[in-house]
Amino acid sequence: AQKITQTQPGMFVQEKEAVTLDCTYDTSDQSYGLFWYKQPSSGEMIFLIYQGSYDEQNATEGRYSLNFQKARKSANLVISASQLGDSAMYFCAMREALLLNTGNQFYFGTGTSLTVIP
Amino acid sequence: GAGVSQSPSNKVTEKGKDVELRCDPISGHTALYWYRQSLGQGLEFLIYFQGNSAPDKSGLPSDRFSAERTGGSVSTLTIQRTQQEDSAVYLCASSSIAGKEQFFGPGTRLTVL
Repeated sequence: AQKITQTQPGMFVQEKEAVTLDCTYDTSDQSYGLFWYKQPSSGEMIFLIYQGSYDEQNATEGRYSLNFQKARKSANLVISASQLGDSAMYFCAMREALLLNTGNQFYFGTGTSLTVIP
Repeated sequence: GAGVSQSPSNKVTEKGKDVELRCDPISGHTALYWYRQSLGQGLEFLIYFQGNSAPDKSGLPSDRFSAERTGGSVSTLTIQRTQQEDSAVYLCASSSIAGKEQFFGPGTRLTVL
């Protein structure tokens, strides 16, 4: 089974609107971390936001927030007030077994291509 | 610089040749990862190193691929007898054992003619 599933290969959003990028995950661990990365056309991978499985509140970083629904095993990324520079690929990722510090492998989804329309 | 560096940034080679790709992780990071990203695709895990533990090689696509990490720092990914399907961007990332995220290098774009 896929560890990370991103079901939206491509998304469009109007500039200044909000957009949600979906991510579901599969793990039997109790302690894990969820991440979102942005990859612009230049190719670099840029860390956006992190959510720990024990964090009670949804993570927020500026215009990025993570809608964490543990029971549904979903970790959707919400980008508010979209900007043209947000056009990029977005990858959801998971790291398991955080507390034991033995799980260091990251699992990535296949990505969602976001296009912001002026 | 304090980030992950990779060299070369671009490599063009002929089918059948061997190539070596280098990664310098962030100083002090014990975990190092190699990924492959084909054009328009997601990240494909290749291998990761954690401290002095045996590396997890489960993602290597064939025995033509190998990697080593010397002294717990610099890593080299070697592809022997390259094939055209090896053409991709090879990304390296490092993470502290207690870190929350991986830090990625700029990648090496490999083109096999």
